[in-house]
Amino acid sequence: EDQVTQSPEALRLQEGESSSLNCSYTVSGLRGLFWYRQDPGKGPEFLFTLYSAGEEKEKERLKATLTKKESFLHITAPKPEDSATYLCAVPDLLTSYGKLTFGQGTILTVHP
Amino acid sequence: EAQVTQNPRYLITVTGKKLTVTCSQNMNHEYMSWYRQDPGLGLRQIYYSMNVEVTDKGDVPEGYKVSRKEKRNFPLILESPSPNQTSLYFCASSSTGSDQPQHFGDGTRLSIL
Repeated sequence: EDQVTQSPEALRLQEGESSSLNCSYTVSGLRGLFWYRQDPGKGPEFLFTLYSAGEEKEKERLKATLTKKESFLHITAPKPEDSATYLCAVPDLLTSYGKLTFGQGTILTVHP
Repeated sequence: EAQVTQNPRYLITVTGKKLTVTCSQNMNHEYMSWYRQDPGLGLRQIYYSMNVEVTDKGDVPEGYKVSRKEKRNFPLILESPSPNQTSLYFCASSSTGSDQPQHFGDGTRLSIL
């Protein structure tokens, strides 16, 4: 069974204080890893897809990287508007298409 | 604007009273899914559909039904709701391929008394 574990559960940063979120996974065959952002009262919003080890993608202050066992979401000089829950997910290949296994998420709070 | 629309956004009801949560997408996506999100348990898939008239169970299908009669719509039906189905529900859609990102609606908060 696929497992996705995120750490830390919660992260509090000062504005401008860079840090990283971790997503480790055990899957039978990786065909992509997704990062989402979720704001309170909203559905998850897609950020990135990473397909293979060594791949990196960037969007504003966010950079996602992927190794064979984990992915990192690096946040450079964060702002209060980056506060949200960040979720990673992998697609399930053994049982079906269209199914995602999510991690528990990291709640990021950025203080001004 | 590309979107997944769920209705209602909030619902308080009583045990045993059948209810339907509607979901509609305007992106011509083949795949649609329902998830529930609970504190400490994260997002868990209830049912999914790979196309019209093709549906299958996810991780927590008990107590739920779905149908996919049209490509754009994927309603979630609770025939006899119980308090343990109190949760935040999300509908999602994606195009063909397990590596395609899913797009989520804004959620439906259900309270079953």
